[in-house]
Amino acid sequence: QVQLQESGPGLVKPSETLSLTCSVSEYAITSGFFWAWIRQSPGKGLEWIGDIDRSGTTYYDPSLNSRVVISVDTSKNQFSLRLTSVTAGDTAVYYCARRAHDWGWLDPWGPGTLVAVSS
Amino acid sequence: IQMTQSPSSLSASVGDRVIISCRATDDISSYLNWYQQKPGIAPKLLIYAASSLRSGVPSRFGGSRSGTNFTLTISTLKPEDFATYYCQQTYTSPWTFGPGTRVESK
Repeated sequence: QVQLQESGPGLVKPSETLSLTCSVSEYAITSGFFWAWIRQSPGKGLEWIGDIDRSGTTYYDPSLNSRVVISVDTSKNQFSLRLTSVTAGDTAVYYCARRAHDWGWLDPWGPGTLVAVSS
Repeated sequence: IQMTQSPSSLSASVGDRVIISCRATDDISSYLNWYQQKPGIAPKLLIYAASSLRSGVPSRFGGSRSGTNFTLTISTLKPEDFATYYCQQTYTSPWTFGPGTRVESK
């Protein structure tokens, strides 16, 4: 069955760049679907950040658009998130997930990784 | 599109019928998904397209739509169903989630 796993630093300094990678197993990214990043913080709940398809076409939440880049590495079957100029407001649990083309459901999700923004 | 949920929390007993509501601020057709989340664990898909049950999800979970109002029903609450439930619209980007409904043990 498809599994996703997030990895990356758990602590990022303000104004720096948050970088996370999602490794996908038991399913080739090139086979289809969108590949999404979502975050969850106590203050903002669940927030879709953006996603990417197998061709590299990206879709971002407009509120984060200027700071977000999602990329895909098909050779490693991974996709990545970069969020620049972070502030304390970006502290959250970050999840990666597979998103369906038709109805847009997210399934499965990775276990999530907590990223704190602090000096 | 904003999503609201009611109630924000509820207390119920095993065996109860539980109904959770979700409302969209605009038409989203049937592009509405429901997720279950337990503390410290990622959300899990329960229902997609308003009323389609994800494979492997118990049949006591059901979803319905009336216009821009959606309902998640748990017909007979089991101990493992105490959790937080979120709705999500995937009709118009950005895909947005409701604030969640916490189902607690009475």
